[in-house]
Amino acid sequence: DTEVTQTPKHLVMGMTNKKSLKCEQHMGHRAMYWYKQKAKKPPELMFVYSYEKLSINESVPSRFSPECPNSSLLNLHLHALQPEDSALYLCASSRRNSGSGEQFFGPGTRLTVL
Amino acid sequence: AQRVTQPEKLLSVFKGAPVELKCNYSYSGSPELFWYVQYSRQRLQLLLRHISRESIKGFTADLNKGETSFHLKKPFAQEEDSAMYYCALSSRNSGNTPLVFGKGTRLSVIA
Repeated sequence: DTEVTQTPKHLVMGMTNKKSLKCEQHMGHRAMYWYKQKAKKPPELMFVYSYEKLSINESVPSRFSPECPNSSLLNLHLHALQPEDSALYLCASSRRNSGSGEQFFGPGTRLTVL
Repeated sequence: AQRVTQPEKLLSVFKGAPVELKCNYSYSGSPELFWYVQYSRQRLQLLLRHISRESIKGFTADLNKGETSFHLKKPFAQEEDSAMYYCALSSRNSGNTPLVFGKGTRLSVIA
């Protein structure tokens, strides 16, 4: 399996809801990432996990809560989001210690906050 | 600080014409440069990396350290090349440093 998968593809939620985004990879990659992408803009890094530990948090509001239960899974828990959080959320993974920054991206979850 | 600059938001060319998408970078260390492409309704995917020095879908890119550039070129554009192209940079000295993306250039190939 050489792909990063993300579920759900689409998510509509109210500002008081709690939901989760899920990302999975079975390539043995030990680094996983969450990005936020607004329309016609480049991906913006949110979080980096390395060996299941959070290594980078790009000053993301606490209403976004990442979790890495194991080396293949990455979740993003959402709570009390704002309409401006509506975006495409991308997950990516990469090998650790390869010297390469090449990242493999999932198809994304398109989130709409009402 | 790392920075990637793609000066053109939109580039329109006719089918069969040459294409050059510009990318300049700023980085004090040893960079690794990439071109990612995002076709309509498809995932972001790697097109080229400077280390491999290969040609993918007719595209090539050469790292010019003197000019700190990594321009993407193709001699004859095809309609299926229409997409969003992002130049990205990471450090060669660390395995999982985040990618820094440029703002992207939308390539439109006109029939």
